[in-house]
Amino acid sequence: EDQVTQSPEALRLQEGESSSLNCSYTVSGLRGLFWYRQDPGKGPEFLFTLYSAGEEKEKERLKATLTKKESFLHITAPKPEDSATYLCAVQAQNYGGSQGNLIFGKGTKLSVKP
Amino acid sequence: DVKVTQSSRYLVKRTGEKVFLECVQDMDHENMFWYRQDPGLGLRLIYFSYDVKMKEKGDIPEGYSVSREKKERFSLILESASTNQTSMYLCASRAVYNSPLHFGNGTRLTVT
Repeated sequence: EDQVTQSPEALRLQEGESSSLNCSYTVSGLRGLFWYRQDPGKGPEFLFTLYSAGEEKEKERLKATLTKKESFLHITAPKPEDSATYLCAVQAQNYGGSQGNLIFGKGTKLSVKP
Repeated sequence: DVKVTQSSRYLVKRTGEKVFLECVQDMDHENMFWYRQDPGLGLRLIYFSYDVKMKEKGDIPEGYSVSREKKERFSLILESASTNQTSMYLCASRAVYNSPLHFGNGTRLTVT
């Protein structure tokens, strides 16, 4: 069964303390992996797409990487405004019907204290 | 910039009422989706549509229906609202298969 697991569930950091969030997946052929940021009471905001192992994407203090089994979202010198829930989702190779849709992890809630 | 607009941010309805949640996207996207999001359960897919007038059931379609008469608009209908449908409802669209989903800001529905 296709599955996406994010860890940790929650992460508390001090401002400037770099860390990584993990998204591990077991799917029948990865077509794409997506990272989103979600602020309380709002819809998820798209951050990155990764399509193949070894690929990396960067945006400000965030860097996403992909291997054959997992993806990491590295946060360098975070600020309080980086506090949010980060969601990972994968697109498996099966398509047609509901199998063509994304499989979401349950997210990592990040808190950055000043 | 991509924009998905949900008609209401907050709704309060009574048990048994028929409820309409509206979603409009301005990007000419083919695919549209309705999710609900609950603490501890994450995002769950209710219905989706790959094209106008097409609709398919997601993982939790019971108690819901949808309508897509125009490409830009996707409506979620709760035929007879129940308290267990109290949730955050999120609409999303994407251009084609394997492109990113773009979400609206959600409708927080409370059924009393």
